Amino acid sequence: EVQLVESGGGLVQPGRSLRLSCAASGFTFSSYEMNWVRQAPGKGLEWLSYIGGSGTTTYYADSLKGRFTISRDNAKNSLYLQMNSLRAEDTAVYYCAREELDGLDYWGQGTLVIVSS
Amino acid sequence: DVVMTQTPLSLSVTPGQPASISCKSSQSLLHSDGKAYLYWYLQKPGQSPQLLIYEVSNRFSGVPDRFSGSGSGTDFTLKISRVEAEDVGVYYCMQSIKLPRTFGQGTKLEIK
Repeated sequence: EVQLVESGGGLVQPGRSLRLSCAASGFTFSSYEMNWVRQAPGKGLEWLSYIGGSGTTTYYADSLKGRFTISRDNAKNSLYLQMNSLRAEDTAVYYCAREELDGLDYWGQGTLVIVSS
Repeated sequence: DVVMTQTPLSLSVTPGQPASISCKSSQSLLHSDGKAYLYWYLQKPGQSPQLLIYEVSNRFSGVPDRFSGSGSGTDFTLKISRVEAEDVGVYYCMQSIKLPRTFGQGTKLEIK
């Protein structure tokens, strides 16, 4: 069974950093591309970032303006999202999602990030 | 960016009745490989999104056959032949022909 479990969310002050993790199981992690998607409270879905299976290819939403970095550790079956210079508008539930069939086939349960002083 | 526009934004359906959601993209989602990269997701209350339909019309593993997708180019439709209580939630379309991937605003389905 494919499982994706995010962690690392919480309350953080504006301007600070946070690192999210996504632990994968039930599939050969290194064979799959991965993504991060977020959802602000009461809002829709916003794609943030993509990383290839080896970790060498990455893409980001322009709106992140270089503040976020996606990475992975295939030996640990883990995906990461380093978030710097956090703003109030980054408050959201952050989901990791596996990529298959050029879409996102499995999603984690999400981790909530609240940016507030 | 490719803009995805869903209609309606909400609908209320009697159990056993059909439902239909439209998704229009600002650019064609047809790739040179012949596939159209349009996906449908359902986010049930309090849950993460789950894939229903991939590449316009293919049901994902375990998705009931009352769900069907159709369309081409820039116009796509998700149909539920007979709505059940478990189908409540917000439905999203998503395109992946171009980065950034973009989603529709969501359509909230309620049961009458």
